[in-house]
Amino acid sequence: EDQVTQSPEALRLQEGESSSLNCSYTVSGLRGLFWYRQDPGKGPEFLFTLYSAGEEKEKERLKATLTKKESFLHITAPKPEDSATYLCAVNGGTSGSRLTFGEGTQLTVNP
Amino acid sequence: ETGVTQTPRHLVMGMTNKKSLKCEQHLGHNAMYWYKQSAKKPLELMFVYSLEERVENNSVPSRFSPECPNSSHLFLHLHTLQPEDSALYLCASSSRHPNTGELFFGEGSRLTVL
Repeated sequence: EDQVTQSPEALRLQEGESSSLNCSYTVSGLRGLFWYRQDPGKGPEFLFTLYSAGEEKEKERLKATLTKKESFLHITAPKPEDSATYLCAVNGGTSGSRLTFGEGTQLTVNP
Repeated sequence: ETGVTQTPRHLVMGMTNKKSLKCEQHLGHNAMYWYKQSAKKPLELMFVYSLEERVENNSVPSRFSPECPNSSHLFLHLHTLQPEDSALYLCASSSRHPNTGELFFGEGSRLTVL
């Protein structure tokens, strides 16, 4: 069974204070790792797909990286509007095409 | 309208009521999904409908009944729910299934069961 663990559960940063969110996963065969952003009262919004170790994707202040065991979402010089819950999900093969989600990291960026 | 639209946004119902959640996607996708999001728990897939198949999570109780009349509309019929069914119910769509993981979500229907 695919498993996804995200840490920390919650993170508070000052504006401009860079940091990273972690997503550890256990799968039989990774078909893809996905990052989503979810604002309060809204549905998740797709950010990135990573397929193989060593792959990196960037979007504005966000950069996602992937190893064989975990993914990091690096946030450089965050702004208050980056505050959201960030969700990680994997398609690991044992669940068919079903995505397995982590519980998310709630990020708060204070001005 | 664009994207994935869910109605109602908020619903309060008693345990003996029957209600339905509606989802409509305007993206031309051919797969639609129902997810349940409870506090402090990961998103849980309930049902998938695509041109190729209907997939059910076997752990979903029969008091939840999906209906997909066409590729743009998806319903979740609710009856004799329990208080623990209170959650945010999210509809999503994708361009194909099995999908690449790029799901487009609606804003959700917040359900409270009294």
